[in-house]
Parts: sequence; C-alpha cells; structure tokens
Amino acid sequence: AQSVTQLDSQVPVFEEAPVELRCNYSSSVSVYLFWYVQYPNQGLQLLLKYLSGSTLVKGINGFEAEFNKSQTSFHLRKPSVHISDTAEYFCAVTSQAGTALIFGKGTTLSVSS
Amino acid sequence: GAVVSQHPSRVICKSGTSVKIECRSLDFQATTMFWYRQFPKQSLMLMATSNEGSKATYEQGVEKDKFLINHASLTLSTLTVTSAHPEDSSFYICSARSGGGRNTGELFFGEGSRLTVL
Repeated sequence: AQSVTQLDSQVPVFEEAPVELRCNYSSSVSVYLFWYVQYPNQGLQLLLKYLSGSTLVKGINGFEAEFNKSQTSFHLRKPSVHISDTAEYFCAVTSQAGTALIFGKGTTLSVSS
Repeated sequence: GAVVSQHPSRVICKSGTSVKIECRSLDFQATTMFWYRQFPKQSLMLMATSNEGSKATYEQGVEKDKFLINHASLTLSTLTVTSAHPEDSSFYICSARSGGGRNTGELFFGEGSRLTVL
C-alpha cells in the first residue's frame, strides 16, 4: 500500500519569496508522483508529474519538483511566488499498475504582499 | 490536455431526496473513473473506482447502496446519492484515466460538485 505525507499543513510566505512544499511517500513498488493545485471550490489542476527519467521535473506556473528515491521525497519548489499562487496543494502517488491516486492531506500556501 | 466535465457544479436538495452527479470525459475514452469526496479543508478521499461495463469497486466504509455509481459508456460515469442527508453534504470530485496508449497513471479531474443537503 502507498501513502503520502505532506509535512506542512500551512505555509505562509511573502510575495516574490521562494517556497518549498514538502512531500514524502511510502511504497513497496515503483511509483508515479504528482502535484496538483486546487483553488477554492474548484477541481484539481495538475502542476507536474514524475513518471521516470530525470529526477528534476518542471511544471506549469514556474513550479518544479525533485524526486529523491533514497529519501522517498518529492518536494515542490518555486523560486519566486505570486499572490495568485495562493491555493491548496496536494501531493499524490500511484503505482505503475495504475491504481487510483492516493493524496496527501494538502498544504495551504498563503502568499501575502 | 484532456478535459473532464462534471455536472452540476452546485446542487442543493432536501433531506431524503436523491441527487445525480455526472462525470464526462470530453475528448478521450475513459475506461476507468474514480469518485472522490472532499470535506472542507481536508484531502480527497477515494470513494469508488468505476470501470466501464462492470460494477464499481467501493472503498471500505463507503455504502454502495447510498452512493450508486454507473459507468454505462466510455465517456460517462454517474454518482447518485440516494436518500441524501445533511451529513452527505460535501464536495464530490470525479477523475478519469484514459484507456488508450501508455497508462501514465495521470488522472484528469472534473471541476467538482458541491452538494448541500438541507
């Protein structure tokens, strides 16, 4: 069975500051990893995904994440955040067998000026 | 990218009535769809897996007679909340996985349906 732990429930930052949202996973098999963003009362939008290959993955809106197998982590980073990045961020995992995504509890990113 | 449409986006109903939520894949065939439930300020909890042409698989603790799922075609899955009660009020989100090509595990999400039971 897989699980995902998002280490921070809330992350407040100032505009133009860098940010890192942490995600650790647990799985006995190879995994695919994802980061989704959710704005209030909306569905989820894919930010980026790791399937295989390069461990540094670049996504939309300037976000990137690094897959670290030894530390079983997939932390999300952005060098300079905007007010519009304020949202809920979910890390998710699935096995190569294509089972349903398992989500972390989410991290609320609050960007203020 | 692939588009999943969910309808209605918001619904308010009286206690004891049934509500149907539709999930459609607009530009791809979805052999598998997943239904999630999200309580305020919480994560998404998988309710059931819906496979086209077969019975849905429900997660532990989810009442199959309360939450009826039908996946009658490759582009449509429906979730019916039967005899809804206030505790069923929640945000329901569907997601779909393409049946064609290499399965990358990526899911495409609908925009969610907020159910309020009075």
